[in-house]
Parts: sequence; structure tokens; C-alpha cells
Amino acid sequence: AQTVTQSQPEMSVQEAETVTLSCTYDTSESDYYLFWYKQPPSRQMILVIRQEAYKQQNATENRFSVNFQKAAKSFSLKISDSQLGDAAMYFCAYRSTNYGGSQGNLIFGKGTKLSVKP
Amino acid sequence: NAGVTQTPKFHILKTGQSMTLQCAQDMNHGYLSWYRQDPGMGLRRIHYSVAAGITDKGEVPDGYNVSRSNTEDFPLRLESAAPSQTSVYFCATSFVPGLQETQYFGPGTRLLVL
Repeated sequence: AQTVTQSQPEMSVQEAETVTLSCTYDTSESDYYLFWYKQPPSRQMILVIRQEAYKQQNATENRFSVNFQKAAKSFSLKISDSQLGDAAMYFCAYRSTNYGGSQGNLIFGKGTKLSVKP
Repeated sequence: NAGVTQTPKFHILKTGQSMTLQCAQDMNHGYLSWYRQDPGMGLRRIHYSVAAGITDKGEVPDGYNVSRSNTEDFPLRLESAAPSQTSVYFCATSFVPGLQETQYFGPGTRLLVL
């Protein structure tokens, strides 16, 4: 079974600085998807960024980028020029590409709470 | 488009009572699922559906039932609520599972079972 681990329960960053959130996962599959979701105090789950495992190029979305290391099974999120609105819980998630009983299932890590200091 | 809507936003239930959590989507997505989120944990899938009339168990299905009579709605029913079902419930939807489709989440329903 696949697992997702986020080893940093809490992180803090100064406004306008850069912060990196860590995520590792375990899988025997060769093709899969990885996601970072943001959950602000409103509890809404918001997709931040997505990475397909077959793509070597790291995904980027404006100030958000990932460092995807497939061999190391690592998927970190870098937030540049941090803003107060980035303060939230961040969840790393894995999804298999296989059909069958696990289709569509997102496997989440326990999350990292990010604080942004003004 | 409203996207994914969930009702109610918050509800208090007594042990043994029944309740239905509503999920509706207007994106014409085939795949719908229910997740629960407990403190200090990520989300875990309860049940899912790939099309109207087809439902299947997720990873934590015990104590919950679902039905899917049309594309838009996917209600989650608790027949006899237990305190262990106190949680935040999310409905998620995507066009087709297993392909390059991102799942979008509703705003959540916070349920407290006393």
C-alpha cells in the first residue's frame, strides 16, 4: 500500500521569504500523480500544484514550485515570496493511475501547518 | 457555476440518530467521492462513485451508506451515528478517475456526534 509522509508538522516563514515543505512517499508503482493541497482556516481544500510522475520537469505555478525526485520518492513544495495569505495547512497527496478498487483515491499525508510572519 | 456544494456546513447529532450529508456538483463530472478528515490526519476516502448507479467502498466505509441516482448528487448517509464519526466531511469530484484529472473539493461539512 502507498503511504505519504510529511515530517514537518509546523513551519514558519517571514513574509517575502522562501520556504520549502517536505513530502516523501512510498510506492511500488512507476506511474502516479502527486499533489499539494492548501487548506486555509476556512477548511476549503485548494489545489496548489500537480505533478505527473512520468514527467521529469518539475511543475510550477506562479510562486509555487516542486522539487520532484522520483528515485528518492521525494516531492517538496517551494513557496517563493511568501505572503500572509499563504498561511494554511498544506497537504501532500498521492494518487495511483491504476483502475480497480483504488481508482481515484487520494492518499494524504498528515499535513504541515505553515505560519507567515509579517 | 457553483462547482461542488455541500450541506449543511455544520451539524450536531446525538448518538444513534441518522443523518444525510448532501453533495451536489454542476460540473458534469462522473467521479464523486466522500472523504473524512480527522484532527492531525489527512483525508481518507469513505465511498466513491464513477457514474450514476455505481458506487463502491473506499478505505473507511463502515457506518456509512451512499447512493447515486443521477450525475449531480451523491448523498452520504449515517444510519446510526457514533461519536467516532465526529469529523469534517468533504465531497470531491473529477471528470474521470485514473486519468489526468484533478479532484476538486467541496467546502466541507463539520459533524459533531454527542
